[in-house]
Amino acid sequence: QSVLTQPPSASGTPGQGVTLACSGSDSNIGRNTVSWYQQFPGTAPKLLIYSNNQRPSGVPDRFSGSKSGLSASLAISGLRSEDEAAYFCAAWDVTLDGPVFGAGTQVTVL
Amino acid sequence: QVHLQESGPGLVRPSETLSLTCGVSGFSISSGYYWGWIRQFPGKGLEWIGSIYRSGNLYDNPSLKGRVTLSIDSSKNQIALRLTSVSAADTAVYYCARLNAAGTSLFSLDVWGQGTTVTVSS
Repeated sequence: QSVLTQPPSASGTPGQGVTLACSGSDSNIGRNTVSWYQQFPGTAPKLLIYSNNQRPSGVPDRFSGSKSGLSASLAISGLRSEDEAAYFCAAWDVTLDGPVFGAGTQVTVL
Repeated sequence: QVHLQESGPGLVRPSETLSLTCGVSGFSISSGYYWGWIRQFPGKGLEWIGSIYRSGNLYDNPSLKGRVTLSIDSSKNQIALRLTSVSAADTAVYYCARLNAAGTSLFSLDVWGQGTTVTVSS
């Protein structure tokens, strides 16, 4: 059972936008920033967004993040077929004194 | 560019000890950062196992009930994980990763290894 809550799936057609949600509690998202990871089948997760809304070098600006209260969101604009992947959220948890994760949202490009 | 590579047996028998190493290239682990282990279960959920600093300071997930040993070998630029008394529930893909700003509100996992699949079965 994952500590952070994410919907299992989301979908959109090419060119559309999709927003993925991630909710937590005061011990994690409520106090700390959220990072997002993109994972293709058979590969390791890759950092996509850190500190709620910062993109590492090389990540397209079609990906954007935000946080409000106990929830965070990852928005993908101009959906492309290569965006079809699983997306995980994570945050530091002060009770665990370690990171916690969501179960991931599988994005399908129709 | 920082590169992490996990290695270890892919099959471990129940009740035995799982041992993995993670070699780091492109960065000296003596220079800083926490380095950690995360596993991903067949159902895709991720779980933090533990993290260790160059000083040997370490944290592990209480849910693993003291079964975890982490170590760091600066001379080989690698970290190691030992998980004792394994069961089928420990079957997962095991990743090592670099923790950026561990323990702070700005935390992220900015570099990941490719992962190694470990199956616990007799």
